[in-house]
Amino acid sequence: AQKVTQAQTEISVVEKEDVTLDCVYETRDTTYYLFWYKQPPSGELVFLIRRNSFDEQNEISGRYSWNFQKSTSSFNFTITASQVVDSAVYFCALSEASGATNKLIFGTGTLLAVQP
Amino acid sequence: DAGVIQSPRHEVTEMGQEVTLRCKPISGHNSLFWYRQTMMRGLELLIYFNNNVPIDDSGMPEDRFSAKMPNASFSTLKIQPSEPRDSAVYFCASSKWTGTTNTIYFGEGSWLTVV
Repeated sequence: AQKVTQAQTEISVVEKEDVTLDCVYETRDTTYYLFWYKQPPSGELVFLIRRNSFDEQNEISGRYSWNFQKSTSSFNFTITASQVVDSAVYFCALSEASGATNKLIFGTGTLLAVQP
Repeated sequence: DAGVIQSPRHEVTEMGQEVTLRCKPISGHNSLFWYRQTMMRGLELLIYFNNNVPIDDSGMPEDRFSAKMPNASFSTLKIQPSEPRDSAVYFCASSKWTGTTNTIYFGEGSWLTVV
């Protein structure tokens, strides 16, 4: 069975601090995809990144970076120099690559509060 | 480009009433998903369609819930009769299924309150 665990329920940091959001996943599939979504206070779900299980290269996009480690089944998300606008709930999700479609299994989310 | 469009954005209804949520997926996408978000259960998949055909409705909580996708550009999620425990945010999402996983894009959600 597939499962995504985000052990950190809430994190509070002060602006300009770096923060890492943890994500650990379980799957029996050899090919799968991992995602991060952001849910700001306004409520919409915003796609941040999609990563193929065959691609373990870390990715950087501005202040955001992602560390994918297959050996530990983790896909962690780091925000560098956090800003108040980063305050949101962040969801990690897993999708199998086989089968008829690509439904997402979500973690429970991490609420990030960035204080000014 | 237009994203996934959901309506209504907010709905308050009385217990026992029928509720219909609507979704227009992104043009060209052939997979459509209905998710529900609650504090207790988080984000859970209710049902998804591929090419307008329901593939898996195992997440639909009970017979009071039904979903349809009459064509590639429209889907509905209906609750009849509604109950207070149905209060949640209902998200519609779509993606382009090409035999491999692609990004799933979400609408802004329909916030349902059943009193």
